[in-house]
Amino acid sequence: GDSVTQMEGPVTLSEEAFLTINCTYTATGYPSLFWYVQYPGEGLQLLLKATKADDKGSNKGFEATYRKETTSFHLEKGSVQVSDSAVYFCALSLYNFNKFYFGSGTKLNVKP
Amino acid sequence: DTGVSQDPRHKITKRGQNVTFRCDPISEHNRLYWYRQTLGQGPEFLTYFQNEAQLEKSRLLSDRFSAERPKGSFSTLEIQRTEQGDSAMYLCASSLEGSEAFFGQGTRLTVV
Repeated sequence: GDSVTQMEGPVTLSEEAFLTINCTYTATGYPSLFWYVQYPGEGLQLLLKATKADDKGSNKGFEATYRKETTSFHLEKGSVQVSDSAVYFCALSLYNFNKFYFGSGTKLNVKP
Repeated sequence: DTGVSQDPRHKITKRGQNVTFRCDPISEHNRLYWYRQTLGQGPEFLTYFQNEAQLEKSRLLSDRFSAERPKGSFSTLEIQRTEQGDSAMYLCASSLEGSEAFFGQGTRLTVV
């Protein structure tokens, strides 16, 4: 079935370190891929998206490239800040965005 | 309109009681989704509406769960005869057809 697998956390980094959170997917069709972020006490917010192979989504210094050959959508940021501490969810959607499949989330802790 | 609104934010109920949650979507969005999120997991799809029509229900949505969107605007999710296993965060999201979902802050249900 359709699913998303992302690396387990927590991930602890020092400020200004490089971030990678791995995400791979299994899908029966051609999904759109997303990263959502959940800050403490808040709802999920869309961070970035990519709707077809080789697309790169980017926002707030975060980037992810839709790799069909490796079925991956890894999240990267060159220099993390304390304010990036949150839980990050990788997700996919098929069939005109009628529903989303989420990974289990990766908690990021950034220390000053 | 500042986003998707959910009420209440927190609900504690005794096992066997019925509970009802409300979701007010972004006003121009014709799609509305309900998800459930348990601790340490990503959101799991429950059901979605397009306007007032409920187009898909997950197997997770047992016969104790019912959702409505009577006028294609706000939605309610009712859980009858609550069980401890129903304790979770219930998330509502809305979208335009063919676009990404915007999430509310959720209703945290605790069944004691």
